[in-house]
Amino acid sequence: GENVEQHPSTLSVQEGDSAVIKCTYSDSASNYFPWYKQELGKGPQLIIDIRSNVGEKKDQRIAVTLNKTAKHFSLHITETQPEDSAVYFCAAVASGGGADGLTFGKGTHLIIQP
Amino acid sequence: NAGVTQTPKFQVLKTGQSMTLQCAQDMNHNSMYWYRQDPGMGLRLIYYSASEGTTDKGEVPNGYNVSRLNKREFSLRLESAAPSQTSVYFCASSEAGGTYNTGELFFGEGSRLTVL
Repeated sequence: GENVEQHPSTLSVQEGDSAVIKCTYSDSASNYFPWYKQELGKGPQLIIDIRSNVGEKKDQRIAVTLNKTAKHFSLHITETQPEDSAVYFCAAVASGGGADGLTFGKGTHLIIQP
Repeated sequence: NAGVTQTPKFQVLKTGQSMTLQCAQDMNHNSMYWYRQDPGMGLRLIYYSASEGTTDKGEVPNGYNVSRLNKREFSLRLESAAPSQTSVYFCASSEAGGTYNTGELFFGEGSRLTVL
């Protein structure tokens, strides 16, 4: 089955700097890659996703890039703000699967230092 | 709009006790899911229901049962709780389902369960 590795497990950056979280996946047939943000005491919430027919997608200060050849994708947050502090999860859907086929990474705790 | 509602938010059980976690969604979604979240383990799927009347096992189904009561409600039951089931449980729903028809997952706020 699909295996998703996420790095780093903890990331501390100064407010205003950029943050990058990286994920690799194993199943070359995976074609959907969402990112979820989990604030303290809340459930995860989708912030951005990308499908395998595009290499990059942006939404204001966040962007996701996908390299299908290398089987890795990354989340980029620019001009970080205190409200960006959270746990971020990447995920990939295995071949033949719907949301039930989603495999999540283990998460990255992003800390924004004032 | 309430979205996905889970009850209870907190529960402490003794080993061997049983309990049911309740989940309801008001978005008319077809698919519903139960995940558990453990430190350093990410989110792991326990059971899911692609549509009313169907349920299927996920990655970690042992020790759990589920019921899709109707389109809105999906419950998770622990028949004989064990300390290894101490976790935070999340219910989620999705409009889409099925092969490559992956849509956004909407999560509840979680139920923190401790088994002593």
